[in-house]
Amino acid sequence: DAGVTQSPTHLIKTRGQQVTLRCSPISGHKSVSWYQQVLGQGPQFIFQYYEKEERGRGNFPDRFSARQFPNYSSELNVNALLLGDSALYLCASSLVGNQPQHFGDGTRLSIL
Amino acid sequence: SQELEQSPQSLIVQEGKNLTINCTSSKTLYGLYWYKQKYGEGLIFLMMLQKGGEEKSHEKITAKLDEKKQQSSLHITASQPSHAGIYLCGADNQAGTALIFGKGTTLSVSS
Repeated sequence: DAGVTQSPTHLIKTRGQQVTLRCSPISGHKSVSWYQQVLGQGPQFIFQYYEKEERGRGNFPDRFSARQFPNYSSELNVNALLLGDSALYLCASSLVGNQPQHFGDGTRLSIL
Repeated sequence: SQELEQSPQSLIVQEGKNLTINCTSSKTLYGLYWYKQKYGEGLIFLMMLQKGGEEKSHEKITAKLDEKKQQSSLHITASQPSHAGIYLCGADNQAGTALIFGKGTTLSVSS
């Protein structure tokens, strides 16, 4: 069975640009969560969606937004990119909530 | 806000030796998860603990949850090079809508 898939795997952008990251959950999973991981730190929670509704939001600015589609896939959008947005962005899916979350391999975003 | 502290921050062990990684929460633990991460890659789910005193094992890895101490431990028996990586503990936030992670413990196994 396919795991959580994320695209693209790597991305290079410049300051001020906008980026969209994509995530396909494990088949049957209805909950998708997004995390940001900077080097040397644990993942930081950004959003959680369940059945297309936002269930949780972390302490990130409004430049970060997300949505979940009827097929449960999800997109994370980041506007007005800053150098500090350079990180590994991880998507995780679960049947519901945190029970447990299974992660994709992430999208490595570099901001120049 | 809840914080998870992992110790040690890094660990180098000789192949075949046992080791323990600890994870201590600043607040009540509702659910505790252990993950393993290879550098720059995604997280691999290892175990989930939800009840005080719960203990789970998979192959040579055992995890325990001490609800009273707000602490979990991960024990690896007879370590192998394949155990090398970053071990992360994560905890449910109170609403169950997010995982809070520790900073991770980097494990190296020398042969």
